[in-house]
Amino acid sequence: DAGVIQSPRHEVTEMGQEVTLRCKPISGHNSLFWYRQTMMRGLELLIYFNNNVPIDDSGMPEDRFSAKMPNASFSTLKIQPSEPRDSAVYFCASSLGGSFGDTQYFGPGTRLTVL
Amino acid sequence: QQQVKQSPQSLIVQKGGISIINCAYENTAFDYFPWYQQFPGKGPALLIAIRPDVSEKKEGRFTISFNKSAKQFSLHIMDSQPGDSATYFCAASSGSGYSTLTFGKGTMLLVSP
Repeated sequence: DAGVIQSPRHEVTEMGQEVTLRCKPISGHNSLFWYRQTMMRGLELLIYFNNNVPIDDSGMPEDRFSAKMPNASFSTLKIQPSEPRDSAVYFCASSLGGSFGDTQYFGPGTRLTVL
Repeated sequence: QQQVKQSPQSLIVQKGGISIINCAYENTAFDYFPWYQQFPGKGPALLIAIRPDVSEKKEGRFTISFNKSAKQFSLHIMDSQPGDSATYFCAASSGSGYSTLTFGKGTMLLVSP
């Protein structure tokens, strides 16, 4: 298996622009997680989907952030409009069922820089 | 938000030495404690995990020690190697309903040759 696939790997954009990050989870995994990693705040859970349904979006910073999972093999995280403080590495992870003790498999991340 | 506090922030150990990273938690409902390892430019990957019915779990050179009464757990890396140089995250989750992980802020480990 190719593992969790994220694109793009690097994104540089200007403040105010729309940014879309993409994720393909491991085939057969029913849960998908979006995380943001910064030096100051570490790894923060943004949103969690189970069977394509958002279960917990309490970590989404504000209305500028939105996430969708139209099917079991694809998810997007959109930031509109982007701001310099959104600069971070964004990870997508997937797990078999999202239940207790499930291993989360992380993608390689997207490094976002907002100028 | 439930917290997991991790220390130290960074650690330098000589090759062959023991690396020790500590974590403490507040939520007594937490009952699954994994450690993730992250190399530069990569996503975190599960290293080892423990559940509170045991006080210690060992896998090769990696050992988790768990103290339920103190609400603390730690990762010990024996005979540390330069290839162990990475960032280590402790995490915790509870078994109720849908389970998400709460991560510590990470420890950057450098093992000097």
